[in-house]
Amino acid sequence: EVQLVESGGGLVQPGGSLRLSCAASGFTFSSYEMNWVRQAPGKGLEWVSYISSSGSTIYYADSVKGRFTISRDNAKNSLYLQMNSLRAEDTAVYYCARDSDHRDGYIYYDAFDIWGQGTMVTVSS
Amino acid sequence: DIQMTQSPSSLSASVGDRVTITCRASQSISSYLNWYQQKPGKAPKLLIYAASSLQSGVPSRFSGSGSGTDFTLTISSLQPEDFATYYCQQSYSTPPVTFGQGTRLEIK
Repeated sequence: EVQLVESGGGLVQPGGSLRLSCAASGFTFSSYEMNWVRQAPGKGLEWVSYISSSGSTIYYADSVKGRFTISRDNAKNSLYLQMNSLRAEDTAVYYCARDSDHRDGYIYYDAFDIWGQGTMVTVSS
Repeated sequence: DIQMTQSPSSLSASVGDRVTITCRASQSISSYLNWYQQKPGKAPKLLIYAASSLQSGVPSRFSGSGSGTDFTLTISSLQPEDFATYYCQQSYSTPPVTFGQGTRLEIK
């Protein structure tokens, strides 16, 4: 079964740090780009970060740039998000999502086709 | 950044109804538009990619159309399990990936 399972969420004080993990199974993890997407309580979806299949290309949302670090270990089929200098506004469910290419002739369309169940991060004193 | 705007923000409908949700991009995104369904407490699920292609395993009552800046998601005959929140997402100009604000579909 193709699956993503997040872990590492919890309660942390403002200014603190947390490391999220996402374990992949049922597919060739090293072949796929991956993302982190978050959802604040009662709010919509917000893309957080992207990493290429090799880890050589990385992008961040402006809201987390300089504070969060995405990484992956293809040997361990795992994706990570190191979150530092956490703020109250970082409180959210964090999802890892597989980025899949769908080919139509010479055009490739990206979509997030597999999502984990999410892990809750609460930043509060 | 490309802004995605969905309408309506919420919608009440009955089982068997035909429902249409609209998504508008702040600039042309060709057909780089995806639709997701999210139920309470669950992860989003991919329904439609490339504006009109049905993801494997998704019922055929779901369909997508549009290109450029205007897109629609249509559910031809609502089923009880379709009551959820729906999001559009553009993958044309990234980073950043951007989502619409969501459309909550409720039972009338």
